[in-house]
Amino acid sequence: DGGITQSPKYLFRKEGQNVTLSCEQNLNHDAMYWYRQDPGQGLRLIYYSQIVNDFQKGDIAEGYSVSREKKESFPLTVTSAQKNPTAFYLCASSVIDKGLDEQFFGPGTRLTVL
Amino acid sequence: AQTVTQSQPEMSVQEAETVTLSCTYDTSESDYYLFWYKQPPSRQMILVIRQEAYKQQNATENRFSVNFQKAAKSFSLKISDSQLGDAAMYFCAYRSYFGDSGYALNFGKGTSLLVTP
Repeated sequence: DGGITQSPKYLFRKEGQNVTLSCEQNLNHDAMYWYRQDPGQGLRLIYYSQIVNDFQKGDIAEGYSVSREKKESFPLTVTSAQKNPTAFYLCASSVIDKGLDEQFFGPGTRLTVL
Repeated sequence: AQTVTQSQPEMSVQEAETVTLSCTYDTSESDYYLFWYKQPPSRQMILVIRQEAYKQQNATENRFSVNFQKAAKSFSLKISDSQLGDAAMYFCAYRSYFGDSGYALNFGKGTSLLVTP
């Protein structure tokens, strides 16, 4: 079945550590996205990528980094520079089109800083 | 960036009744896309319905329909014959036609819908 996988489901980090969240898709989508969700907030865009080896900052990119070495993969690194990293992180993908194409979401990763 | 506002943090509806969730947005664009996503307790985001701004006809998907008022920049979601499985957080989202932010979505803060038996 085609879809998006994220791992791990839960992640705990000590302050000062970098952690990497995995996102893989087998939908053959060109575009991939990372969103952050906090209680009482909508989803906010961290980074997005439309093509391999290229990515752009979203609204809240500070303290995060990404790579796009393969079309299927878009890992997100939460660095120690991110002041408040505890949140729920969602990865999504879509075709690139000016149409009504749906963004498909992964199941998410819950990151907790101890 | 376009702003999406959901003014109802929480709503409640009885099973089999109808409920309407509100969404307004701010944009200077003439064409764009609007979406409603559902996030149940599993936290998996699920597309409920979508609308293209230049189409005046309101979108409908089974029990879900929208009231799209372009001049008022309003995009409300109506759920008819509510079911217990409709209980979830509902997010309204905007996407620029021109691909600002790489076709990423701008989300509202969500409305939590409670369905009572």
